[in-house]
Amino acid sequence: EVQLVESGGGLVQPGGSLKLSCVASGFTFRDYWMNWVRQAPGKTMEWIGDIKPDGSNTNYAPSVKNRFTISRDNARSILYLQMSNLRSDYTATYYCVRASYFDYWGQGVMVTVSS
Amino acid sequence: DIQMTPSPSFLSASVGDRVTFNCKTSQNINKYLNWYQQKLGEAPKLLIYNTNNLQTGIPSRFSGSGSGTDYTLTISSLQPEDVATYFCLQHYSRPNTFGAGTKLELK
Repeated sequence: EVQLVESGGGLVQPGGSLKLSCVASGFTFRDYWMNWVRQAPGKTMEWIGDIKPDGSNTNYAPSVKNRFTISRDNARSILYLQMSNLRSDYTATYYCVRASYFDYWGQGVMVTVSS
Repeated sequence: DIQMTPSPSFLSASVGDRVTFNCKTSQNINKYLNWYQQKLGEAPKLLIYNTNNLQTGIPSRFSGSGSGTDYTLTISSLQPEDVATYFCLQHYSRPNTFGAGTKLELK
């Protein structure tokens, strides 16, 4: 069974940093592109970015480029999202999503950016 | 960016009704359109991928159709467990974009 479990969320002050993790199981992680997606309260889902199976290529939404970095550890089947210089409008639930065709989603992890 | 325009924003229907959701895109996405169901507090669940392919384990009362810029999700006979929010995703080109959800409630 495919499982994606995010962790690392919480309360952070504006301008701060946070690193999210997503542990994958039930499939061969190193074979798949992976995405991060977020949903702010009451808002539409927003694609953040993705990463190639070998980690050699990443793509980002303009809204987070130069603030967020996606990386992965294929030996441990973990996807990461490093977030820096956070703003209050980044408050959202963050999901990791398998990019086969956006088929499997994690439960999500809440990030609150507030002073 | 490809803009997504879903309709309606809210739907109220009775058990057994045929229900349809629509998603219009701002440009041709060559059928790279998925539909999801999300219940409160749960992860989104993929129902239909690439316009008309039923995801494994999804009941056959769900179906999808469309082409070009117009796409539809249909529930042929609404069941109580279908109460949820439904949304679409285009994964034809980056940035991948989502439609706002349509909330489905029982009459």
